[in-house]
Amino acid sequence: QVTLRESGPALVKPTQTLTLTCTFSGFSFNTRGICVSWIRQPPGKALEWLALIGWDDDKYYSTSLKTRLTISKDTSKNQVVLTMTNMDPVDTATYYCARVHGPSGYYDSDYWGQGTLVTVSS
Amino acid sequence: EIVLTQSPGTLSLSPGERATLSCRASQSVSTTFLSWYQQKPGQAPRLLIYGASNRATDIPDRFSGSGSGTDFTLTISRLEPEDFAVYYCQQYGSSPRITFGPGTKVDIK
Repeated sequence: QVTLRESGPALVKPTQTLTLTCTFSGFSFNTRGICVSWIRQPPGKALEWLALIGWDDDKYYSTSLKTRLTISKDTSKNQVVLTMTNMDPVDTATYYCARVHGPSGYYDSDYWGQGTLVTVSS
Repeated sequence: EIVLTQSPGTLSLSPGERATLSCRASQSVSTTFLSWYQQKPGQAPRLLIYGASNRATDIPDRFSGSGSGTDFTLTISRLEPEDFAVYYCQQYGSSPRITFGPGTKVDIK
């Protein structure tokens, strides 16, 4: 059974750095093609893809946010960590992690965590 | 950089009616890497269609996907009450790695 769960602070202050952790089970980065993505969704707005890390440690970032994002993984702990620097109130959103299933060849986001709401406010 | 556009923004229909949702890409997208998601209020998105036309596990056959190149369509043949939600298309590609469309909301007329 595949599960993902996001964890991190519910509230951060402007200019602070946000660190979110995605802890997953039911799959492993030891499988070729497995990737994990981070996606966010401001209240009432659309999904926005942020970053992806692959089984081979290749990393990809949103063009508009790449200077503020860092994604990393700990294969032994089944975790993916996203850091976002210089947080602003416009970064208030629900942050999701999702498995991107490369072994199927389709690279669809087939399993998602429940999401964690991060509010940026002083 | 690939941009996805979805239309209409909102689709107001009655249960039992057919829904046709469009996703248009700014440049050609491989059908292999085009997927559709359903999101209900307060829930995470759920994969509906992958590879442009393949239903994900446990997705009813009233959902179907089609298209190629820059134009893709999600069709719901007969709307059930649980189908009223927001639908997103997504592409996986080279730049950026993943893009989502802005979504189409299907609401009850």
